[in-house]
Amino acid sequence: GNSVTQMEGPVTLSEEAFLTINCTYTATGYPSLFWYVQYPGEGLQLLLKATKADDKGSNKGFEATYRKETTSFHLEKGSVQVSDSAVYFCALNLNAGGTSYGKLTFGQGTILTVHP
Amino acid sequence: KAGVTQTPRYLIKTRGQQVTLSCSPISGHRSVSWYQQTPGQGLQFLFEYFSETQRNKGNFPGRFSGRQFSNSRSEMNVSTLELGDSALYLCASSLALATTGLVYEQYFGPGTRLTVT
Repeated sequence: GNSVTQMEGPVTLSEEAFLTINCTYTATGYPSLFWYVQYPGEGLQLLLKATKADDKGSNKGFEATYRKETTSFHLEKGSVQVSDSAVYFCALNLNAGGTSYGKLTFGQGTILTVHP
Repeated sequence: KAGVTQTPRYLIKTRGQQVTLSCSPISGHRSVSWYQQTPGQGLQFLFEYFSETQRNKGNFPGRFSGRQFSNSRSEMNVSTLELGDSALYLCASSLALATTGLVYEQYFGPGTRLTVT
């Protein structure tokens, strides 16, 4: 079946440091890929997405490139802020038969803490 | 545009009881999906509804059920509650394509925190 693997956390960084959170996937077709962020006590917010190979999703200084050859979608940010502290989830959307219906498969989540 | 709303936000129930959670999608969104989030299992897909029909189901027992109304609002029901059902239940809505029903990004509500004692 489909699966998503994220780098183990937690990740602790100082403000203005460079961030990378690794995400790799296994899928039987060509999924759409997403990064979601969850702040304490809240639901998930869509951070960025990519729907085909070599697409780059970007938002709020975060970027991720859909790499089909390495089945990866790593999240990066050049300079993190304290306000970026949250849990980050990588996810894919692909059902059996290759139709993108409303079922997301998530990674286990990576806790990011940014210190001043 | 208003986001996805879920009610209630918090709920405490006793083992053996049943519970109904409600979700109102973003206006115009026809697909509603439900997820369970726990510290041990992470985020797991429960089911998805589109045009009042369940078209996707996760690997949960039959005690978990749902439905969707003609205005796209959705409810999920859990019967005979167990301690392990304590979780954050998240609803997400999507703008499914009119011609194909395909779904891309999903937008999540704040969740309902269910505690079973």
